[in-house]
Amino acid sequence: GAVVSQHPSRVICKSGTSVKIECRSLDFQATTMFWYRQFPKQSLMLMATSNEGSKATYEQGVEKDKFLINHASLTLSTLTVTSAHPEDSSFYICSAVDTSSYNEQFFGPGTRLTVL
Amino acid sequence: AQSVTQLGSHVSVSEGALVLLRCNYSSSVPPYLFWYVQYPNQGLQLLLKYTSAATLVKGINGFEAEFKKSETSFHLTKPSAHMSDAAEYFCAVSEGTGFQKLVFGTGTRLLVSP
Repeated sequence: GAVVSQHPSRVICKSGTSVKIECRSLDFQATTMFWYRQFPKQSLMLMATSNEGSKATYEQGVEKDKFLINHASLTLSTLTVTSAHPEDSSFYICSAVDTSSYNEQFFGPGTRLTVL
Repeated sequence: AQSVTQLGSHVSVSEGALVLLRCNYSSSVPPYLFWYVQYPNQGLQLLLKYTSAATLVKGINGFEAEFKKSETSFHLTKPSAHMSDAAEYFCAVSEGTGFQKLVFGTGTRLLVSP
C-alpha cells in the first residue's frame, strides 16, 4: 500500500516556541491530506483538511492561527504549532488521500509532541 | 451528522479465543465504514472497509466484519486471537461517500492473554 511518513517522530520543545511537523506521501500524490490529534487513550480528532494549493479547512474549535497548515506540494503538508504550550502536548497524526486507490486515506506513523 | 459508538473500551480474550469488537454507527446517508488498528506510538493501519458492496467484509490478519443495516452495526470479529492482535482498534465512518472526512469511535483496546 501507499506510504506516508511524518517527521519528526518525537519532539520536545519549550513553552512559547514553534514546532513544525511534516507529512509526506512517499509514493503517490495527494491533493488532500488530513491532520488529526490524539490525546492519550482517546480517539483521533480531526483538526483540519489540507488541500494542495489552497487554504486549509479547520474543524470547529481548532485555532487556525495556532495550528498553521501549509500544503505546498502534492506530496508534502506541514503543521506548525505556534507558541506551543503544555496543553498542546499530544500525538499528531496525518493522513493522505490516494486518488488512485479509491480515495483511501493512508496514515502516517504520528508525531509525539511534548511541550515543557 | 455521522457518528460511531464502540462499546467497551477494553476487551480481554485468551489466545485462540473468538474476538468480537462492537461498533454501531449513525449516518444520514449510506455509510462507508472502516476498522483501523493502532499499535503503540504508531499511526493507523486499515484492517477492512465496507463500501456498499458485500455486507461481509474480509480484511487483513484474519479479521472480518459484517454490515447489518437493520442493527446499524459493523462489528469486527476474528475466529482465533493471536498475541500479536493486542492493539487499539478504531471503527470509523466516512462523512459522505468515499474516503472523505472520517469520524472515529473512541477505540477498543484488545488484550490477549496466553
